[in-house]
Amino acid sequence: EDQVTQSPEALRLQEGESSSLNCSYTVSGLRGLFWYRQDPGKGPEFLFTLYSAGEEKEKERLKATLTKKESFLHITAPKPEDSATYLCAVTTSGTYKYIFGTGTRLKVLA
Amino acid sequence: SAVISQKPSRDICQRGTSLTIQCQVDSQVTMMFWYRQQPGQSLTLIATANQGSEATYESGFVIDKFPISRPNLTFSTLTVSNMSPEDSSIYLCSVEVKSGGVTQYFGPGTRLLVL
Repeated sequence: EDQVTQSPEALRLQEGESSSLNCSYTVSGLRGLFWYRQDPGKGPEFLFTLYSAGEEKEKERLKATLTKKESFLHITAPKPEDSATYLCAVTTSGTYKYIFGTGTRLKVLA
Repeated sequence: SAVISQKPSRDICQRGTSLTIQCQVDSQVTMMFWYRQQPGQSLTLIATANQGSEATYESGFVIDKFPISRPNLTFSTLTVSNMSPEDSSIYLCSVEVKSGGVTQYFGPGTRLLVL
């Protein structure tokens, strides 16, 4: 069964304290792995799509990487405005549906 | 990219009534999706709505409870029928865009409270 697991569930960082969020996945045929940011009361905001192992993408303080079994979202020198829930999702070549993880709630303290 | 709007943004409804949620996209897209997000939880796919064909529902969701229309490539509706308090949730519309890759964009969501 296709599955996505995110860890940790919640993370508290001091401003400037870099860390990584993990997304482990099991799918029959990966079409893409996605990272989103979701603020309270809003829809998810697209961050990255990764397609194959070894791929990396960056945006400001965020960098996403992909292996055959997991993806990491690295946050470098975070700021309080990076506080949000970060969601990982995969879509498969068989069904084209998206499967979401449960998310990591990030809190960055000033 | 795609800009998605949803109406209403929130509503409070009585048990046993129905609510229709509208989703409008600023460009033509083939694949649209409807999700439910219960408080503090992640997203659960309700159905995939492709223009010109019947919606495809995920396990646990049925057409009688969540009828979907997709009259054209920029618009869809989701109806939550015969509501109960368990239907209180955020309902999100999304679209898949293929432009140099695959991206899924989300609307702002409809926050529903059923009393």
